[in-house]
Amino acid sequence: EDKVVQSPLSLVVHEGDTVTLNCSYEVTNFRSLLWYKQEKKAPTFLFMLTSSGIEKKSGRLSSILDKKELFSILNITATQTGDSAIYLCAPNSGGSNYKLTFGKGTLLTVNP
Amino acid sequence: NAGVTQTPKFQVLKTGQSMTLQCAQDMNHNSMYWYRQDPGMGLRLIYYSASEGTTDKGEVPNGYNVSRLNKREFSLRLESAAPSQTSVYFCASRGLAPLGETQYFGPGTRLLVL
Repeated sequence: EDKVVQSPLSLVVHEGDTVTLNCSYEVTNFRSLLWYKQEKKAPTFLFMLTSSGIEKKSGRLSSILDKKELFSILNITATQTGDSAIYLCAPNSGGSNYKLTFGKGTLLTVNP
Repeated sequence: NAGVTQTPKFQVLKTGQSMTLQCAQDMNHNSMYWYRQDPGMGLRLIYYSASEGTTDKGEVPNGYNVSRLNKREFSLRLESAAPSQTSVYFCASRGLAPLGETQYFGPGTRLLVL
């Protein structure tokens, strides 16, 4: 059975702090790993990672994948209150069928 | 482009009632998905459709049926609703984004079964 574990489950920080969110996975037919941000509505796409060791970056957010150790991290630097959300990790475990298996998410709260 | 749309936004059912959740996408995507999201559980796949005319079970298909009506539309039916089906339901379609291939999600349907 495919398994995705995110840690921590929740995190409270102050504006300006840097945070690291973790995602470990055990899935069959791994093709890629996706990160999403979910505020009080639908998840929105952040990154897709396919290769180990290559950092993807978008503004203050960055992410990296380790396919040997089966984990990924999402970093957010200089956090802002607008970063408060649930962050979801989802490896693509369906091979050519492209099925995502979601972790339970990390609830990030950024206080002013 | 509207992206992925879902109707209704909110629904209250009594146990045993049936209903259909509608989903449509205007991005010409082949693959579409239905998920449910419960507190502390992440998103769990109910059914998916890799292309028009095909559907497959996901992780939690019991109590649901789906129809891929055409390339745009993918509906989810609850034949006899149960309180355990109280959840938020998301429809998604798969396509390319600037940062990679992803699933685009609709706004969700909040369902309460009494």
